[in-house]
Amino acid sequence: GAVVSQHPSRVICKSGTSVKIECRSLDFQATTMFWYRQFPKQSLMLMATSNEGSKATYEQGVEKDKFLINHASLTLSTLTVTSAHPEDSSFYICSARDLGGGLEYEQYFGPGTRLTVT
Amino acid sequence: TQLLEQSPQFLSIQEGENLTVYCNSSSVFSSLQWYRQEPGEGPVLLVTVVTGGEVKKLKRLTFQFGDARKDSSLHITAAQPGDTGLYLCAGENNQGGKLIFGQGTELSVKP
Repeated sequence: GAVVSQHPSRVICKSGTSVKIECRSLDFQATTMFWYRQFPKQSLMLMATSNEGSKATYEQGVEKDKFLINHASLTLSTLTVTSAHPEDSSFYICSARDLGGGLEYEQYFGPGTRLTVT
Repeated sequence: TQLLEQSPQFLSIQEGENLTVYCNSSSVFSSLQWYRQEPGEGPVLLVTVVTGGEVKKLKRLTFQFGDARKDSSLHITAAQPGDTGLYLCAGENNQGGKLIFGQGTELSVKP
């Protein structure tokens, strides 16, 4: 089955620093990846859509200068939280679509990254 | 703005009981997916329904997509403690694969 990995799984950083999270599709090519954040006991909130080779599309209310997204290849997208603050602490999850396997409706999620900003 | 209303948000039942989770919208979706999520992990895809009226079964789980493709349900028969988790429905519109998630249902099955 399609596997999506994220790295790191957990990260603790100090306020004001930047943190980069990687999302990789391990056994398929993903022209589109999505980034979500999730607060405890809540559902997933879409932050942005990442398309390989082009600029990301951000959802309303998400600061594009704070959450930098790069989708440099068909298997890798990165999310950089710049000048992180405690309110950015959250569970960040990426997902990817496998467009080559005839499962165009399927979307597979990574295991998530727990970010804690102190 | 498309919304997907999921209910109930919390459900605590005894082992062996049956339950149904609902997702409703006023919008039509091209597909609808159900996920299960454990604490500290990403959602795991359970099923995708595409055709209006479609019914899919996964062991004790039965998923149904409404005829008009605006609503869906998940029915679990004889729930077990291992079914405990957060269940999420997500509808896909035709805007580049974006998923709209319901609020989630936190299910607790007590032995």
